[in-house]
Amino acid sequence: VQLVQSGAEVRKPGESLKISCKGSGYSFTNYWIGWVRQMPGKGLEWVGIIYPGDSDRRYGPSFQGQVTISADKSISTAYLQWRSLKASDSAMYYCVRHEEEWGGSDIWGQGTLVTVS
Amino acid sequence: QSVLTQPPSVSGAPGQRVTISCTGSRYNIGAGYDVHWYQQLPGAAPKLLIYRSRNRPSGVPDRFSGSRSGTSASLVITGLQAEDEADYYCQSYDSSLSGSPFGGGTKLTVL
Repeated sequence: VQLVQSGAEVRKPGESLKISCKGSGYSFTNYWIGWVRQMPGKGLEWVGIIYPGDSDRRYGPSFQGQVTISADKSISTAYLQWRSLKASDSAMYYCVRHEEEWGGSDIWGQGTLVTVS
Repeated sequence: QSVLTQPPSVSGAPGQRVTISCTGSRYNIGAGYDVHWYQQLPGAAPKLLIYRSRNRPSGVPDRFSGSRSGTSASLVITGLQAEDEADYYCQSYDSSLSGSPFGGGTKLTVL
């Protein structure tokens, strides 16, 4: 069971970006996938979650309208995307898996480092 | 400023017991929502340590335990070891935010 994320990205302010998280070794549509942000030297922040089975999703208040979470269950992949990046979006982003909507995240991806400069 | 408050740092000598608190409110821990704890070793992704307040995933040593009371939860580490030096985070659903925020994190130093 693992989540494998796409590689590090470097973008300029105003550019768009979509990072991915591919699940394997389990039934992708039966677990929630979440995204967690960690800015350099800072703590964990909850971005939002999606249920790939029906694309039901939730966003943290700070991220609502700033990012879009989506999933393609046909290829067991979830996405986090930005339409217009800001320097403050620079961070490590982790995707996570949990069985219940507000359950503990038992599997973490390796992280995708996003640099906006 | 997170709705879940943790001490910024705690420390202990090898073999000792340390407690990390996570203080919430009637909108999260006090409402009975589950609390989860994570360990983040330096340079690594976080790892689930305790789920549903007191349950350990397979492979987590029983030196780690969780509890809750009222609007707070605690992570207790007994028999402290050098490899326990890490950042620890609590997490719980919050009905006022309709989301699942993390605590600010606690840095554990093993003296």
